[in-house]
Amino acid sequence: NAGVMQNPRHLVRRRGQEARLRCSPMKGHSHVYWYRQLPEEGLKFMVYLQKENIIDESGMPKERFSAEFPKEGPSILRIQQVVRGDSAAYFCASSQGQGAYEQYFGPGTRLTVT
Amino acid sequence: GQNIDQPTEMTATEGAIVQINCTYQTSGFNGLFWYQQHAGEAPTFLSYNVLDGLEEKGRFSSFLSRSKGYSYLLLKELQMKDSASYLCAVSNTNAGKSTFGDGTTLTVKP
Repeated sequence: NAGVMQNPRHLVRRRGQEARLRCSPMKGHSHVYWYRQLPEEGLKFMVYLQKENIIDESGMPKERFSAEFPKEGPSILRIQQVVRGDSAAYFCASSQGQGAYEQYFGPGTRLTVT
Repeated sequence: GQNIDQPTEMTATEGAIVQINCTYQTSGFNGLFWYQQHAGEAPTFLSYNVLDGLEEKGRFSSFLSRSKGYSYLLLKELQMKDSASYLCAVSNTNAGKSTFGDGTTLTVKP
């Protein structure tokens, strides 16, 4: 049973480019969460999605960031016009249900903006 | 909203016992999780408490007091590999997701 998959594992972008981060949840999981983690800091919630729906995007910056979880295919976190401050590790997690279910984390995507 | 507090750092000696505390304020409490995260890696699930009391799982135990908004993670017979960040996360029925604390970085010394 494959775990949560994220790709790419490392992504380098120049300022102003777009970054697309992909997440495939565990088999049977329909709840996906995206987190950002800066070096030496904790996990910061960004967005919670179910298939084709954004449930909670209270942690997403108002501009340049968007997320989707289509009916088919992986969840995508998209960052437009990246800036140096976007450099961080972005973790995706999935769970079997809403609320009191443990989350399984992917290995993360390390984004570096030069 | 939710507020979760954990100590930022702790240090302990190999073979000893350490207790990592977590206090929280939330409405619609629906359980508390502990995760372990080694540097440069993804968090991994350790424990889940929804009722008051102690849950034991090998060298790791987790305790919850809902009336006090308090939990702790107890690590026994510490090993060097236990050096990691320990994250407390609270599930909220209204939010439908867990909120993570900033984590406690534990350093185990010989």
